[in-house]
Amino acid sequence: EPEVTQTPSHQVTQMGQEVILRCVPISNHLYFYWYRQILGQKVEFLVSFYNNEISEKSEIFDDQFSVERPDGSNFTLKIRSTKLEDSAMYFCASRRDRGAKNIQYFGAGTRLSVL
Amino acid sequence: DQQVKQNSPSLSVQEGRISILNCDYTNSMFDYFLWYKKYPAEGPTFLISISSIKDKNEDGRFTVFLNKSAKHLSLHIVPSQPGDSAVYFCAASARNNAGNMLTFGGGTRLMVKP
Repeated sequence: EPEVTQTPSHQVTQMGQEVILRCVPISNHLYFYWYRQILGQKVEFLVSFYNNEISEKSEIFDDQFSVERPDGSNFTLKIRSTKLEDSAMYFCASRRDRGAKNIQYFGAGTRLSVL
Repeated sequence: DQQVKQNSPSLSVQEGRISILNCDYTNSMFDYFLWYKKYPAEGPTFLISISSIKDKNEDGRFTVFLNKSAKHLSLHIVPSQPGDSAVYFCAASARNNAGNMLTFGGGTRLMVKP
């Protein structure tokens, strides 16, 4: 069964460093998302991406964040200068098309630890 | 932001009995609802969904009920099995939302005892 894959599974970084989280969405999917879950809190939407551009972003997704689909298969989330409060599980999700069923399929996540 | 709420943080059920997980929402623009299951160290796994034009959707042991007037949905698992033990998230989306983002509830930890 096709799945969303994320690498690395765990990323440890120093505050102020840049990190790139990588995702390979399901191959025939057209819509891509990043969510995060801070320990003990809800899963929160960060950004959605379609047709090579951001379609929506949350208040969390400030200038420190960017997304890219560099080669038609990978979908990356970059955090330019990490803060302690960026420590969280980051989930990538993808969706096939803009039909009535908004079913998003999630990867296993990347645990980001900012020290 | 409490647009989607799961008021029970945990639920314990005996194997073979029914598990009922509840979810409330406040945003009347939500028109599609989903349940996800999550094991530790894994991402949310899609379980079942329902459109706002329906009041029930069934898939094997899983049934989701939607009460639009009460802005309430529930997930029924019958019969419950120990392998169902996980955290269950309710999520909702609105079609008028450009990115079709999902808004999640806080989750309910289900424990099915053998």
